[in-house]
Amino acid sequence: DQQVKQNSPSLSVQEGRISILNCDYTNSMFDYFLWYKKYPAEGPTFLISISSIKDKNEDGRFTVFLNKSAKHLSLHIVPSQPGDSAVYFCAAIGDSSYKLIFGSGTRLLVRP
Amino acid sequence: NAGVTQTPKFQVLKTGQSMTLQCAQDMNHEYMSWYRQDPGMGLRLIHYSVGAGITDQGEVPNGYNVSRSTTEDFPLRLLSAAPSQTSVYFCASSSLGLAGGNYNEQFFGPGTRLTVL
Repeated sequence: DQQVKQNSPSLSVQEGRISILNCDYTNSMFDYFLWYKKYPAEGPTFLISISSIKDKNEDGRFTVFLNKSAKHLSLHIVPSQPGDSAVYFCAAIGDSSYKLIFGSGTRLLVRP
Repeated sequence: NAGVTQTPKFQVLKTGQSMTLQCAQDMNHEYMSWYRQDPGMGLRLIHYSVGAGITDQGEVPNGYNVSRSTTEDFPLRLLSAAPSQTSVYFCASSSLGLAGGNYNEQFFGPGTRLTVL
């Protein structure tokens, strides 16, 4: 049973528009969430994170929103750039665990 | 800093063969981990370590062994390779906070693409 779900395998947006990537989780013990970005033939790189005590965290063009009651988080990229084209993984951890749980990823394509 | 390095980049094995995937980091990180990435499955944790001499199982540990004799190195061993172990393997490391758990960002290596025939 997947504890972290990314239900959209792919997303295509026009350059300059907003990209919204979604993630749902089932484990109520998760209290910290991270987004990683992955280019082909490279390892994932950390993008942004959010603690469960917050509902929003911003870093430049990237904003993560957390809705704890709905067990849902989203990553907003504004404005989207062609260099943002990559696979984005949502991940979660909680209960003082050492095990980071990843979603299946969403492939974002930003069209020039 | 080289960060996290993995060797080899590519490997083809026959069923039943054994091999070791190497991982090293030069950031003095306490935490190291191994993931496998399969299409539609995201990254799944195989084994992890919170320091030299300490290892534990992740989500999918069967068929894999690890050891952590130094802070820098965390090799992953396949004792008898199976086609189901065909995957891309990533090693990652991070520092640990004072509180329990690992809430810090992990730094990933470039991956090893393994094919088992």
